[in-house]
Amino acid sequence: DAKTTQPPSMDCAEGRAANLPCNHSTISGNEYVYWYRQIHSQGPQYIIHGLKNNETNEMASLIITEDRKSSTLILPHATLRDTAVYYCIVRGGGSNYKLTFGKGTLLTVNP
Amino acid sequence: DVKVTQSSRYLVKRTGEKVFLECVQDMDHENMFWYRQDPGLGLRLIYFSYDVKMKEKGDIPEGYSVSREKKERFSLILESTSTNQTSMYLCASSFDGLGADTQYFGPGTRLTVL
Repeated sequence: DAKTTQPPSMDCAEGRAANLPCNHSTISGNEYVYWYRQIHSQGPQYIIHGLKNNETNEMASLIITEDRKSSTLILPHATLRDTAVYYCIVRGGGSNYKLTFGKGTLLTVNP
Repeated sequence: DVKVTQSSRYLVKRTGEKVFLECVQDMDHENMFWYRQDPGLGLRLIYFSYDVKMKEKGDIPEGYSVSREKKERFSLILESTSTNQTSMYLCASSFDGLGADTQYFGPGTRLTVL
């Protein structure tokens, strides 16, 4: 699975959009971009994933650049409960093996 | 709504005791996983199962065994606990299909071995 690079921490004001970047310059054609988050002392929570096109669900939007070398997770209206570590993961489709979490980005939403 | 549950949120055991951690998913997923998570080491795969009664070792199977007698249930067994097994244990499940296979996690069990 391709390696990802994320900033170690970010801050966001409550009610504003949080934009979390991820670089994955070695991504290959069949690899998906996944985002998870982990609130302190809880299990990781799946947020969204995508292959080439931008994706949106009830939690977030995922913007993938045309060359697929980077992506941005957007939380449109951040709340205090969105404070968590956010992980960007790249992995091949159809694999039933482990997920590898990097260090992620600690997003702190401030009142 | 997807649901993975784990039998306990917190456990405290003494060295040498036997521990069963149970995980149940209600999504009819074929694949189930046990990870442990430790500060600075990230998630490490202990075992996974791709079908009833089938299991494969992950990266750190030593000191652990697993059981999958029913599709929805995957148990992690620590036969004789040691202090280095103090950790957060996470269960996950996923659908076995082509394309993306999203893993859904349970809330975790924080095990402390004294």
